[in-house]
Amino acid sequence: QSALTQPASVSGSPGQSITISCTGTSSDVGGYNYVSWYQQHPGKAPKLMIYEVSNRPSGVSNRFSGSKSGNTASLTISGLQAEDEADYYCSSYTSSSTFHVVFGGGTKLTVL
Amino acid sequence: EVQLVESGGGLVQPGRSLRLSCAASGFTFDDYAMHWVRQAPGKGLEWVSGISWNSGSIGYADSVKGRFTISRDNAKNSLYLQMNSLRAEDTALYYCAKDMDCSGGSCYSGFDPWGQGTLVTVSS
Repeated sequence: QSALTQPASVSGSPGQSITISCTGTSSDVGGYNYVSWYQQHPGKAPKLMIYEVSNRPSGVSNRFSGSKSGNTASLTISGLQAEDEADYYCSSYTSSSTFHVVFGGGTKLTVL
Repeated sequence: EVQLVESGGGLVQPGRSLRLSCAASGFTFDDYAMHWVRQAPGKGLEWVSGISWNSGSIGYADSVKGRFTISRDNAKNSLYLQMNSLRAEDTALYYCAKDMDCSGGSCYSGFDPWGQGTLVTVSS
C-alpha cells in the first residue's frame, strides 16, 4: 500500500493559521469519509485530533479543523500556539485490501 | 478511564518470534475494532494490522502479511500480535490502538486512545 502524501514540514508564527495537506487516491482519501489526523509530540503517543474528515473528539480545541476535496484532505490550525509544534499525521481507510488503514508520511509543524 | 497497556517487547534475533499483548480497560472491549500501529526510530507511523470486534475481519500491511498474526480474547479484554520470522526492519515501537467508534472492518473512525507502546528491537 502507498502512503498518503504530506509535506515534510510547515511553519507559522503564533496567531497565524496553517494548513497541512494530505493527498491520496480514489481508493482511500477520495473514496471514503474516513480520514483522521493525529498530533504527536516527541516521545509521546499520537493523539487523535480529527476523525471522519472534519469531526473533533471531545477535548480537542476548535482551532483544529479538517476538510476534504477530491483525493486531498486538509488540516487547518488557526491561532497558532507554541504547544501546537509537533508532528502531524493523516490517515485514511483504504479499499486496497481487506480492512486496511494507511498513514501519511507526517508533517513537522514549527511555530516560529 | 479508557486505558491500553502493551507488553511483550524486547530484543530478539532475526528470524525469531515474539508475542505482543495489549491489556484494555475502561471500556467494553468487544464493542470495538482494535489495531496495531508501529513507529520505527525517527520515522513515521505505519499501520500494521487490525481486527474487528468478533475477529471476523482481519487485515495486515503487506510488509507483515504471512509473518504476523493478530488475535483478540474478548473474555480477557486483550489484543495480541504474534510476530514470526522477525527482520531488522521490524524494529519499532509498537502501539495498540482502539477504533474510536467502529466495531467492524469496513469503517475507520480514528484511533483513540493509543497505548504507550512497547519497543521491539530485532538485532543479532
